[in-house]
Formats: sequence, C-alpha cells, structure tokens
Amino acid sequence: EPEVTQTPSHQVTQMGQEVILRCVPISNHLYFYWYRQILGQKVEFLVSFYNNEISEKSEIFDDQFSVERPDGSNFTLKIRSTKLEDSAMYFCASDEYNEQFFGPGTRLTVL
Amino acid sequence: GNSVTQMEGPVTLSEEAFLTINCTYTATGYPSLFWYVQYPGEGLQLLLKATKADDKGSNKGFEATYRKETTSFHLEKGSVQVSDSAVYFCALNTYGGATNKLIFGTGTLLAVQP
Repeated sequence: EPEVTQTPSHQVTQMGQEVILRCVPISNHLYFYWYRQILGQKVEFLVSFYNNEISEKSEIFDDQFSVERPDGSNFTLKIRSTKLEDSAMYFCASDEYNEQFFGPGTRLTVL
Repeated sequence: GNSVTQMEGPVTLSEEAFLTINCTYTATGYPSLFWYVQYPGEGLQLLLKATKADDKGSNKGFEATYRKETTSFHLEKGSVQVSDSAVYFCALNTYGGATNKLIFGTGTLLAVQP
C-alpha cells in the first residue's frame, strides 16, 4: 500500500541553524501539507501546497519557513533560523479525494 | 473561528469495555469530520470520516455519527482490545480556496488493559 515517508525521523539542531525536513508524498497525489505538534499540544496546520505553489498558510508559517517541491517526488519544509519554540513533531500529508494520508513524522529538537 | 474540542485523557479501560470519546466542533458552513488514530511511534492514520449531517462513519468496530444539531462527532466502540491503545484525534476539514486543511482536537490517549 502506498504511504507517505519522511526523513529524518529525528533531527537535533542548534538554535539559529537551518533545517530541511523531507517528505515523499504518495505519487499520484496533488495536494501536500505540513502540520506540526508541539509536545502535549494540538496538531496544527502550517501550510498547504498545490500546483507548485502555496495555497494556504497559517500564522505560524512566517518568513522563517519555506516549502518546496524540488523534483517530482520530494516535498520539503525548510526552517531558516531555528528557535527553541520550533521543537515539535512535524508531519507531512498528501491528499486525494478529501482524505489526507500522513507520514510518520520528524521529531525536531532545537537546543 | 473553526475549532474542535475533545475530551481530555488519558482514558483507561479494561479489555472488552465500551468506549466513548467525546468530540464537539465549531465551524462555519458544512465541514467534513474525521477521527484519526496514532499508534505509538507511528503517524496519523485515518480511522473514519463523515461528510454530511447524520452520516455514520465506521471502521474496525469504531463508529461515529455526524450530529449537526449538537455539533458532535463522538467516537464509540462496543468492545475495546489492548491493540486499540493509541491516541485518537478528532478533526474537521475546512475548505478555503484550493486547500482542505484539517483542524484537530488535542487528542485523547486511550490505554486498554488486559
């Protein structure tokens, strides 16, 4: 069964460093998403992406964040200068017919 | 704005007990409603969904009915198993432009004891 994959599973970085989280959505899906979950809190929407552009972003998704689909398979989330409060689990999802399929997540720890 | 409220956990049950996890929502328009499950160390998996009022979603013995009059989508299972231990998230889908972003509740941890 096709699935969404994410790498790495755990990323540790120093405050101020750039990180890139990678996702491979299901191949025939057209809509892609990033969500995050700070420990003990809700899963929060960050951004949606369709037809090679951002279709919606949340207030969390400020200028420090960017997304890219550099080729036909990968979908990346970049954080330019990480802050302590960026520590969270980041989930990628892709969508077909109003059903989102989630990856296993990347746990980002900012020290 | 749009939001989801679900009962806080953890919920601890014995095997074969009846499960209810409450979920209520606030939304403009007519959202679709979802339950996702997260097993330890895994991602979010869609458990069931309902797209309009009075629809009942069901899967793996779990059920939830879209109640517009009470703005609720409570999750139920008649007889839980140890393997059902997981975190359960209620969510709604809002339509804005070309996106179908999900708005989640806080999640409810279910622990089933043998």
